[in-house]
Amino acid sequence: DTGVSQNPRHKITKRGQNVTFRCDPISEHNRLYWYRQTLGQGPEFLTYFQNEAQLEKSRLLSDRFSAERPKGSFSTLEIQRTEQGDSAMYLCASSYPGQTSTDTQYFGPGTRLTVL
Amino acid sequence: LAKTTQPISMDSYEGQEVNITCSHNNIATNDYITWYQQFPSQGPRFIIQGYKTKVTNEVASLFIPADRKSSTLSLPRVSLSDTAVYYCLGQTRGFKTIFGAGTRLFVKA
Repeated sequence: DTGVSQNPRHKITKRGQNVTFRCDPISEHNRLYWYRQTLGQGPEFLTYFQNEAQLEKSRLLSDRFSAERPKGSFSTLEIQRTEQGDSAMYLCASSYPGQTSTDTQYFGPGTRLTVL
Repeated sequence: LAKTTQPISMDSYEGQEVNITCSHNNIATNDYITWYQQFPSQGPRFIIQGYKTKVTNEVASLFIPADRKSSTLSLPRVSLSDTAVYYCLGQTRGFKTIFGAGTRLFVKA
Protein backbone atom coordinates (compact mmCIF):
# COMPACT_ATOMS: atom_id res chain seq x y z
CA ASP A 1 0.00 0.00 0.00
CA THR A 2 1.78 3.10 -1.24
CA GLY A 3 -1.04 5.48 -0.35
CA VAL A 4 -2.76 8.08 -2.49
CA SER A 5 -0.39 10.17 -4.58
CA GLN A 6 -1.00 13.49 -6.23
CA ASN A 7 0.99 15.38 -8.82
CA PRO A 8 2.18 18.02 -8.98
CA ARG A 9 2.46 18.98 -5.31
CA HIS A 10 2.63 22.66 -6.19
CA LYS A 11 1.47 24.59 -9.23
CA ILE A 12 1.82 28.29 -9.91
CA THR A 13 0.01 29.63 -12.93
CA LYS A 14 -1.16 32.90 -14.40
CA ARG A 15 -4.79 33.87 -14.50
CA GLY A 16 -6.49 32.53 -17.60
CA GLN A 17 -4.25 29.50 -18.01
CA ASN A 18 -5.47 25.90 -17.86
CA VAL A 19 -4.09 23.49 -15.27
CA THR A 20 -4.44 19.74 -14.79
CA PHE A 21 -3.82 17.73 -11.64
CA ARG A 22 -3.44 13.99 -11.34
CA CYS A 23 -4.44 11.63 -8.55
CA ASP A 24 -3.38 8.00 -8.21
CA PRO A 25 -5.56 6.23 -5.63
CA ILE A 26 -4.72 3.19 -3.57
CA SER A 27 -4.78 0.36 -6.09
CA GLU A 28 -7.73 -1.68 -4.81
CA HIS A 29 -9.91 1.35 -4.09
CA ASN A 30 -12.74 1.83 -6.57
CA ARG A 31 -14.02 5.11 -5.12
CA LEU A 32 -12.24 8.39 -5.70
CA TYR A 33 -13.05 11.86 -4.42
CA TRP A 34 -11.84 15.38 -5.13
CA TYR A 35 -11.94 18.17 -2.56
CA ARG A 36 -10.83 21.79 -2.44
CA GLN A 37 -9.47 23.38 0.70
CA THR A 38 -8.77 27.06 1.33
CA LEU A 39 -6.78 28.45 4.21
CA GLY A 40 -8.47 28.00 7.57
CA GLN A 41 -11.36 25.98 6.18
CA GLY A 42 -12.15 22.31 6.03
CA PRO A 43 -12.05 20.45 2.72
CA GLU A 44 -15.03 21.10 0.42
CA PHE A 45 -16.38 18.20 -1.59
CA LEU A 46 -16.11 18.65 -5.36
CA THR A 47 -16.87 15.33 -7.02
CA TYR A 48 -16.92 11.56 -6.56
CA PHE A 49 -16.23 8.59 -8.84
CA GLN A 50 -17.09 4.96 -8.46
CA ASN A 51 -14.83 3.15 -10.89
CA GLU A 52 -14.95 5.29 -14.04
CA ALA A 53 -18.41 6.73 -13.41
CA GLN A 54 -18.70 10.23 -12.00
CA LEU A 55 -21.65 9.82 -9.65
CA GLU A 56 -21.85 13.13 -7.85
CA LYS A 57 -20.73 16.70 -8.50
CA SER A 58 -20.91 19.67 -6.18
CA ARG A 59 -22.37 22.94 -7.37
CA LEU A 60 -18.91 24.28 -6.51
CA LEU A 61 -17.67 22.49 -9.62
CA SER A 62 -18.32 25.19 -12.20
CA ASP A 63 -18.18 24.68 -15.95
CA ARG A 64 -14.48 25.53 -15.86
CA PHE A 65 -13.79 22.42 -13.81
CA SER A 66 -13.81 18.92 -15.23
CA ALA A 67 -12.76 15.64 -13.70
CA GLU A 68 -12.19 12.30 -15.35
CA ARG A 69 -11.31 8.79 -14.34
CA PRO A 70 -11.13 7.07 -17.73
CA LYS A 71 -10.12 3.57 -16.71
CA GLY A 72 -11.31 3.55 -13.17
CA SER A 73 -7.78 3.97 -11.84
CA PHE A 74 -6.09 7.39 -11.80
CA SER A 75 -8.09 10.59 -12.08
CA THR A 76 -7.43 14.05 -13.45
CA LEU A 77 -8.93 17.37 -12.44
CA GLU A 78 -8.67 20.15 -14.99
CA ILE A 79 -9.38 23.81 -14.37
CA GLN A 80 -9.80 25.95 -17.46
CA ARG A 81 -9.27 29.73 -17.56
CA THR A 82 -8.04 29.82 -14.00
CA GLU A 83 -9.08 32.68 -11.73
CA GLN A 84 -7.38 33.97 -8.60
CA GLY A 85 -10.25 32.53 -6.57
CA ASP A 86 -9.22 29.07 -7.69
CA SER A 87 -6.09 29.30 -5.53
CA ALA A 88 -6.43 26.51 -2.99
CA MET A 89 -5.23 23.05 -2.00
CA TYR A 90 -6.84 20.37 -4.14
CA LEU A 91 -7.13 17.08 -2.30
CA CYS A 92 -7.84 13.64 -3.66
CA ALA A 93 -9.06 10.72 -1.57
CA SER A 94 -9.91 7.11 -2.28
CA SER A 95 -11.87 4.42 -0.50
CA TYR A 96 -13.18 0.90 -0.77
CA PRO A 97 -16.77 -0.02 0.09
CA GLY A 98 -16.96 -1.11 3.68
CA GLN A 99 -19.52 -2.80 5.85
CA THR A 100 -20.85 0.50 7.15
CA SER A 101 -22.77 3.22 5.38
CA THR A 102 -19.69 5.39 5.16
CA ASP A 103 -16.28 4.75 3.69
CA THR A 104 -12.95 5.44 5.32
CA GLN A 105 -11.35 7.86 2.91
CA TYR A 106 -7.59 7.94 2.49
CA PHE A 107 -6.31 11.32 1.42
CA GLY A 108 -3.34 12.26 -0.71
CA PRO A 109 -0.95 15.10 0.16
CA GLY A 110 -2.78 17.54 -2.10
CA THR A 111 -1.80 19.88 -4.92
CA ARG A 112 -1.42 23.49 -3.91
CA LEU A 113 -2.51 25.81 -6.72
CA THR A 114 -1.54 29.46 -6.78
CA VAL A 115 -3.08 31.64 -9.48
CA LEU A 116 -1.27 34.92 -10.01
CA LEU B 1 -27.22 16.83 5.43
CA ALA B 2 -25.83 16.19 8.89
CA LYS B 3 -24.29 19.44 10.10
CA THR B 4 -21.67 19.30 12.81
CA THR B 5 -20.58 21.95 15.30
CA GLN B 6 -17.31 21.80 17.20
CA PRO B 7 -15.11 24.30 19.05
CA ILE B 8 -12.90 26.43 16.85
CA SER B 9 -9.78 25.86 18.95
CA MET B 10 -8.45 24.21 22.10
CA ASP B 11 -5.19 24.40 24.01
CA SER B 12 -3.65 21.63 26.08
CA TYR B 13 -0.36 20.58 27.64
CA GLU B 14 1.72 17.53 26.94
CA GLY B 15 0.60 14.47 28.87
CA GLN B 16 -2.98 15.65 29.37
CA GLU B 17 -6.11 13.95 28.09
CA VAL B 18 -7.97 16.05 25.52
CA ASN B 19 -11.69 15.74 24.86
CA ILE B 20 -13.18 17.41 21.78
CA THR B 21 -16.96 17.45 21.63
CA CYS B 22 -18.96 17.67 18.42
CA SER B 23 -22.68 18.40 18.09
CA HIS B 24 -24.70 16.78 15.29
CA ASN B 25 -28.34 17.34 16.16
CA ASN B 26 -29.79 16.22 12.83
CA ILE B 27 -27.77 13.07 12.33
CA ALA B 28 -29.63 10.45 10.30
CA THR B 29 -30.36 6.97 11.60
CA ASN B 30 -27.86 5.26 9.33
CA ASP B 31 -25.09 7.85 9.62
CA TYR B 32 -21.80 7.15 11.32
CA ILE B 33 -19.62 9.72 13.07
CA THR B 34 -16.09 9.92 11.74
CA TRP B 35 -13.13 11.93 13.00
CA TYR B 36 -10.17 13.00 10.90
CA GLN B 37 -6.88 14.68 11.84
CA GLN B 38 -5.05 17.10 9.57
CA PHE B 39 -1.53 18.49 9.87
CA PRO B 40 -0.46 21.59 7.90
CA SER B 41 0.16 20.94 4.20
CA GLN B 42 -1.11 17.37 4.45
CA GLY B 43 -4.39 15.67 3.62
CA PRO B 44 -6.72 14.62 6.45
CA ARG B 45 -6.05 11.30 8.12
CA PHE B 46 -8.76 8.97 9.47
CA ILE B 47 -8.69 8.61 13.25
CA ILE B 48 -11.80 6.77 14.35
CA GLN B 49 -15.40 6.06 13.44
CA GLY B 50 -18.40 4.97 15.47
CA TYR B 51 -22.16 4.60 15.49
CA LYS B 52 -23.04 4.59 19.17
CA THR B 53 -21.61 3.93 22.65
CA LYS B 54 -17.82 3.72 22.76
CA VAL B 55 -15.17 2.85 20.24
CA THR B 56 -11.46 2.66 21.07
CA ASN B 57 -8.40 2.14 18.92
CA GLU B 58 -4.69 2.64 19.37
CA VAL B 59 -4.98 6.37 18.77
CA ALA B 60 -8.21 7.58 20.40
CA SER B 61 -11.57 6.80 21.92
CA LEU B 62 -14.92 7.94 20.63
CA PHE B 63 -17.94 8.32 22.90
CA ILE B 64 -21.42 8.62 21.39
CA PRO B 65 -24.41 8.87 23.76
CA ALA B 66 -27.66 7.04 23.16
CA ASP B 67 -29.38 10.00 21.48
CA ARG B 68 -26.41 10.34 19.08
CA LYS B 69 -26.79 14.11 18.98
CA SER B 70 -23.18 14.61 19.99
CA SER B 71 -19.91 12.76 20.17
CA THR B 72 -16.63 13.22 22.04
CA LEU B 73 -13.20 12.40 20.70
CA SER B 74 -10.80 11.57 23.51
CA LEU B 75 -7.04 11.73 22.96
CA PRO B 76 -5.12 10.20 25.88
CA ARG B 77 -1.86 11.82 27.01
CA VAL B 78 -1.33 14.18 24.08
CA SER B 79 2.11 15.10 22.83
CA LEU B 80 3.37 18.07 20.83
CA SER B 81 2.89 16.04 17.66
CA ASP B 82 -0.85 15.90 18.27
CA THR B 83 -1.08 19.60 17.42
CA ALA B 84 -3.39 19.54 14.41
CA VAL B 85 -6.90 20.27 13.18
CA TYR B 86 -9.51 17.67 14.12
CA TYR B 87 -12.65 17.28 12.02
CA CYS B 88 -15.90 15.67 13.11
CA LEU B 89 -17.96 14.45 10.17
CA GLY B 90 -21.62 13.57 9.94
CA GLN B 91 -22.03 11.72 6.69
CA THR B 92 -25.30 11.43 4.80
CA ARG B 93 -26.41 8.27 3.12
CA GLY B 94 -24.19 7.77 0.15
CA PHE B 95 -20.70 9.04 -0.02
CA LYS B 96 -20.63 12.84 0.14
CA THR B 97 -18.47 13.93 3.03
CA ILE B 98 -19.11 17.32 4.63
CA PHE B 99 -16.22 18.80 6.56
CA GLY B 100 -16.74 21.71 8.91
CA ALA B 101 -13.99 24.13 9.92
CA GLY B 102 -12.65 21.69 12.49
CA THR B 103 -11.07 22.20 15.91
CA ARG B 104 -7.52 23.49 16.05
CA LEU B 105 -5.76 21.72 18.91
CA PHE B 106 -2.53 23.29 20.14
CA VAL B 107 -0.45 21.21 22.52
CA LYS B 108 2.07 23.10 24.60
CA ALA B 109 5.19 21.78 26.30
